[in-house]
Amino acid sequence: SQQGEEDPQALSIQEGENATMNCSYKTSINNLQWYRQNSGRGLVHLILIRSNEREKHSGRLRVTLDTSKKSSSLLITASRAADTASYFCATVPNFGNEKLTFGTGTRLTIIP
Amino acid sequence: GAVVSQHPSRVICKSGTSVKIECRSLDFQATTMFWYRQFPKQSLMLMATSNEGSKATYEQGVEKDKFLINHASLTLSTLTVTSAHPEDSSFYICSARMGPGSPLHFGNGTRLTVT
Repeated sequence: SQQGEEDPQALSIQEGENATMNCSYKTSINNLQWYRQNSGRGLVHLILIRSNEREKHSGRLRVTLDTSKKSSSLLITASRAADTASYFCATVPNFGNEKLTFGTGTRLTIIP
Repeated sequence: GAVVSQHPSRVICKSGTSVKIECRSLDFQATTMFWYRQFPKQSLMLMATSNEGSKATYEQGVEKDKFLINHASLTLSTLTVTSAHPEDSSFYICSARMGPGSPLHFGNGTRLTVT
């Protein structure tokens, strides 16, 4: 079963605006990762945040992690048309194997 | 770096035939590869974990005799959909990682259509 739930399921914004996507999960994690998927393609790893980290940046991406609320957010600043894609969070459990469990995804559309 | 090549990108086959999908890590050795299935506008569902030199570990509900996985080398894993049926039509994606704790690198997926 999917552990991650993403919110919103779909998001449309104007180019240049910031886009925020949220992810909630249920069990204790070792790390949480965000991926992007362009239509009909594989996933591209964006950023990994460990359970002892609260915030991480990579270029125009900012990820936060709140383990007390079991939630994470992905912020894309100054969005571009090329950012149009589906974004998935994925969690690695704190024990056992390292299988990634993917969330339901957010379909982001940037309107030029 | 860290490129994963998946082939073919699209395949159409007739019901009852078998289809093999290859997943190669081009510039790194992957001790573990994962196979996912994705339905339209849905998330990725893990089918199985493929470990080099050993049997694959299948997720609950995935028929191991129908979805044969072979991980014969550190750079190649194959998924064979045996006796395919229309309900097997889906988008199959492989991923590979260099080692525990490292990010996954994905192939571009294979669109399987069974007629």
